[in-house]
Amino acid sequence: DAGVIQSPRHEVTEMGQEVTLRCKPISGHNSLFWYRQTMMRGLELLIYFNNNVPIDDSGMPEDRFSAKMPNASFSTLKIQPSEPRDSAVYFCASSSTGGAGYGYTFGSGTRLTVV
Amino acid sequence: RKEVEQDPGPFNVPEGATVAFNCTYSNSASQSFFWYRQDCRKEPKLLMSVYSSGNEDGRFTAQLNRASQYISLLIRDSKLSDSATYLCVVPNTGGFKTIFGAGTRLFVKA
Repeated sequence: DAGVIQSPRHEVTEMGQEVTLRCKPISGHNSLFWYRQTMMRGLELLIYFNNNVPIDDSGMPEDRFSAKMPNASFSTLKIQPSEPRDSAVYFCASSSTGGAGYGYTFGSGTRLTVV
Repeated sequence: RKEVEQDPGPFNVPEGATVAFNCTYSNSASQSFFWYRQDCRKEPKLLMSVYSSGNEDGRFTAQLNRASQYISLLIRDSKLSDSATYLCVVPNTGGFKTIFGAGTRLFVKA
């Protein structure tokens, strides 16, 4: 299995531009998570999907952030418009059993820099 | 009290040393716990699960103390390759808002 695949690995964009991060979870995993990691705040859960349905998006910082999961093998996290404070590493993770009590497999992350 | 708190790092230890990290949690209803390892500029990876009193895997031992609401990770005979950040993970009772601790950085020196 190729694991959780994220793209791009690195993204540098100017403030105000739209940014789209992509994730392909492990086949057969029914749960998908988007996390953001910064030095100041550590790993923060942004949104959780179960069977392609968003279950909890309370971690999404503001309306500029949106996430979709149109099918079991693909998810996107979009930031529009981007701001310098959005600079962070964004991880996608998937799990086979809802996440609670079971380990996650993380993708390699997207390192986003907004200048 | 934070939901998950970890020992502040960094821990600097020589090769061969034994080192232990603690992690306290606030949700007494939590049933399972995890330690993840994150290498510099890499993704977190599951290291160990703790479902009852403890778990041992080679040089690594994870222990749970429900009464005091903490888990610990013990690393014996430290190797240079153990240098990483160790994240304590506690699922909450809602089932999916798993909380990651801020992590403890370990440096093992030759």
